Amino acid sequence: DAGVIQSPRHEVTEMGQEVTLRCKPISGHDYLFWYRQTMMRGLELLIYFNNNVPIDDSGMPEDRFSAKMPNASFSTLKIQPSEPRDSAVYFCASSFLALGAREKLFFGSGTQLSVL
Amino acid sequence: AQSVAQPEDQVNVAEGNPLTVKCTYSVSGNPYLFWYVQYPNRGLQFLLKYITGDNLVKGSYGFEAEFNKSQTSFHLKKPSALVSDSALYFCAVILYPNDYKLSFGAGTTVTVRA
Repeated sequence: DAGVIQSPRHEVTEMGQEVTLRCKPISGHDYLFWYRQTMMRGLELLIYFNNNVPIDDSGMPEDRFSAKMPNASFSTLKIQPSEPRDSAVYFCASSFLALGAREKLFFGSGTQLSVL
Repeated sequence: AQSVAQPEDQVNVAEGNPLTVKCTYSVSGNPYLFWYVQYPNRGLQFLLKYITGDNLVKGSYGFEAEFNKSQTSFHLKKPSALVSDSALYFCAVILYPNDYKLSFGAGTTVTVRA
């Protein structure tokens, strides 16, 4: 299994531009999570999906952030317009709904976003 | 709200010495506790979890953690540290079964010197 795949690995953009981050979860996993990691705030959960349906988006910082999961094998996190304070590492993680297994998250390698 | 605290930003140990990374939790019910490790430029990797049962939990790479309800702690331990254990370690908690959201601590950077 290739694991959770995120793209791009690095993204550098200018303030005001739209940014789209992509994630392919592990096949068969029915939970997908988007996290953001910064030095100041650590790891923050932005949103998570179950069976492609958004369950909790209370961590999404502003309306500039949106996430979709059109099918079981693909999710996007979009920032429009981007701002310098959005600079962070964004992680996607997935897990499998089975007793004793769903709390074990599998993380992608992350997207390092720099907004200039 | 449930939370975890990692009181040490950094832990430095010599190779071969015991390693302990501290974590305390604050939850209103029965906690589900986890440890994850992050190597440079990588995503987090699951190490171990405590759900119920034996207070001593064994995990990957020779790590173990002890759940202590009276002290509300879940410290990560390894009897003999390796240089390759140098990484960022995160404690996390969820309030099972009502919440699938892992809440992570701030992380502890472990450096093991040869």
